[in-house]
Amino acid sequence: AQTVTQSQPEMSVQEAETVTLSCTYDTSESDYYLFWYKQPPSRQMILVIRQEAYKQQNATENRFSVNFQKAAKSFSLKISDSQLGDAAMYFCAYRRGRGAQKLVFGQGTRLTINP
Amino acid sequence: DAGVIQSPRHEVTEMGQEVTLRCKPISGHDYLFWYRQTMMRGLELLIYFNNNVPIDDSGMPEDRFSAKMPNASFSTLKIQPSEPRDSAVYFCASTRQGPDTQYFGPGTRLTVL
Repeated sequence: AQTVTQSQPEMSVQEAETVTLSCTYDTSESDYYLFWYKQPPSRQMILVIRQEAYKQQNATENRFSVNFQKAAKSFSLKISDSQLGDAAMYFCAYRRGRGAQKLVFGQGTRLTINP
Repeated sequence: DAGVIQSPRHEVTEMGQEVTLRCKPISGHDYLFWYRQTMMRGLELLIYFNNNVPIDDSGMPEDRFSAKMPNASFSTLKIQPSEPRDSAVYFCASTRQGPDTQYFGPGTRLTVL
């Protein structure tokens, strides 16, 4: 079974600084998708960024980028120029490809932004 | 688009009572998912539907839980009888066929006293 591990229960960063959240996963599949979701205090799950495993180029979305290391099964999220609104729980998630739809989530990392 | 709609947003009930959670997926989405989030177990998939048909219900904790999707725009998750350990946030999500992203509703916070 696929598993997703986030080894940092909590992280904090100064406003305007850069922070990296870690995620590793375990799978025997070659075709899959990886996601980072953000859950602010409102508890709404918001997609931050996604990565297709077949793509070698790391995904970027404005201040958010990933470092996807397929051989190492690592998928870290980098937040640049951190803002107070980035404070939230961040979840890494895995989805097998080829028509599968089930998302497997990590345990989450709580990110605090210090003004 | 209105996004995934869930109701109620909050539910407080007493042990033994029946609880029904409701979800309206995004129009045009043919997959619907029910997740449960707790501090102890994190986010876990309970069940998902494709074209209104349950595909995988292996995450449903026990017979007290049931889910239905009578049409493409409505699904329910029912707990009968409810127990304090069912207290959690329940999310509904939907997506389309293919490598699309799952979009989540705002969740229902259930408290069973």
